Amino acid sequence: AQSVTQLDSQVPVFEEAPVELRCNYSSSVSVYLFWYVQYPNQGLQLLLKYLSGSTLVKGINGFEAEFNKSQTSFHLRKPSVHISDTAEYFCAVSDSDSNYQLIWGAGTKLIIKP
Amino acid sequence: NAGVTQTPKFQVLKTGQSMTLQCAQDMNHEYMSWYRQDPGMGLRLIHYSVGAGITDQGEVPNGYNVSRSTTEDFPLRLLSAAPSQTSVYFCASSPTGGGNTIYFGEGSWLTVV
Repeated sequence: AQSVTQLDSQVPVFEEAPVELRCNYSSSVSVYLFWYVQYPNQGLQLLLKYLSGSTLVKGINGFEAEFNKSQTSFHLRKPSVHISDTAEYFCAVSDSDSNYQLIWGAGTKLIIKP
Repeated sequence: NAGVTQTPKFQVLKTGQSMTLQCAQDMNHEYMSWYRQDPGMGLRLIHYSVGAGITDQGEVPNGYNVSRSTTEDFPLRLLSAAPSQTSVYFCASSPTGGGNTIYFGEGSWLTVV
């Protein structure tokens, strides 16, 4: 992978509303795709990952993401957010070109409005 | 179930001082790495190791040294601290191979004055 772009640095959304966090990547080979979440003042933890198979991946806390190879995207979605989802979300990609080192996006802060 | 343990959690250094950030993992992972996180810049890889005795540079290695004498430990040394090294540092580990989950420590907040 050459790069990962998270299109929004911040996404404000009302509680119980749906949310989509966007992630696009550039790679010419097969990829592994990840979303990690960082709650305030904590380390990152895995939310979900795509390795192969079904393009719709379900993760923890009701999040899911869809791998779209033609659009080189891996957008993260949740149908109804809660105040506890306030965090920064990072998209990451690895492939054989990068020797499977993770290439990270800059992160998207999800801000939940009551 | 300790996972990845980093110490110290907070540290203030004066310019020119040296220090070591400690990192230990109890999951028998071969791969360990150090990242720094700065606002708006995501995570940047400093150094990594694919096993005991093997280390390599990441994206931003200048000013930092690492060693890997055991599978469990991967300390990060700041040789002569500079204000530009003020950041949050994360240690991480994972099994080797593509597609594996990376496990992160809770972070070390470093301020250089």
